[in-house]
Amino acid sequence: AQSVSQHNHHVILSEAASLELGCNYSYGGTVNLFWYVQYPGQHLQLLLKYFSGDPLVKGIKGFEAEFIKSKFSFNLRKPSVQWSDTAEYFCAVIPTGGGNKLTFGTGTQLKVEL
Amino acid sequence: DAGVTQSPTHLIKTRGQQVTLRCSPISGHKSVSWYQQVLGQGPQFIFQYYEKEERGRGNFPDRFSARQFPNYSSELNVNALLLGDSALYLCASSSDTGGYTEAFFGQGTRLTVV
Repeated sequence: AQSVSQHNHHVILSEAASLELGCNYSYGGTVNLFWYVQYPGQHLQLLLKYFSGDPLVKGIKGFEAEFIKSKFSFNLRKPSVQWSDTAEYFCAVIPTGGGNKLTFGTGTQLKVEL
Repeated sequence: DAGVTQSPTHLIKTRGQQVTLRCSPISGHKSVSWYQQVLGQGPQFIFQYYEKEERGRGNFPDRFSARQFPNYSSELNVNALLLGDSALYLCASSSDTGGYTEAFFGQGTRLTVV
């Protein structure tokens, strides 16, 4: 079975700082990779996804993620965070051909201070 | 358009009781998935239904059951509640189960078992 690890459980940054959230997955085959975000009081939303092709994917709100197959990683980045990025971020995987069954990591709580 | 709606938003039950949670998918979506999110953890897959048939089941005991109705709405039932069932229960809908299609999440039902 696949699993997802997010090593940073809580991150605090000042506005304009750069962000990188780690995500590693464990699975023997090919996977599709996702980052979801949950803003306070809101539902989970898809930030970006990787299926194939260019390993650097761009999502909404200036976020991007890079898939490094050799490291089983899919780290999320943003060059300059804003206060409104305060949220919980979840990395998730679906094995290729695995339909819609998402396996999530434990999440990273990001707090951006003014 | 309305998003995924779940009811009730909050619920308190006593150990040993039974609970039914409800989900209405986005109009036109035929697939509904259920996830359990325990505090401090990422969502865990419970069930996926498509066209009223179960298409996937996570590692949950038989106390958990679900069904999907002809209008594609869904119910999640949990019998013989345990304290450990306290969690946020998320419903996600998507348009198809043939391959991956984006899952849209509701805001969840917060279940507290006392």
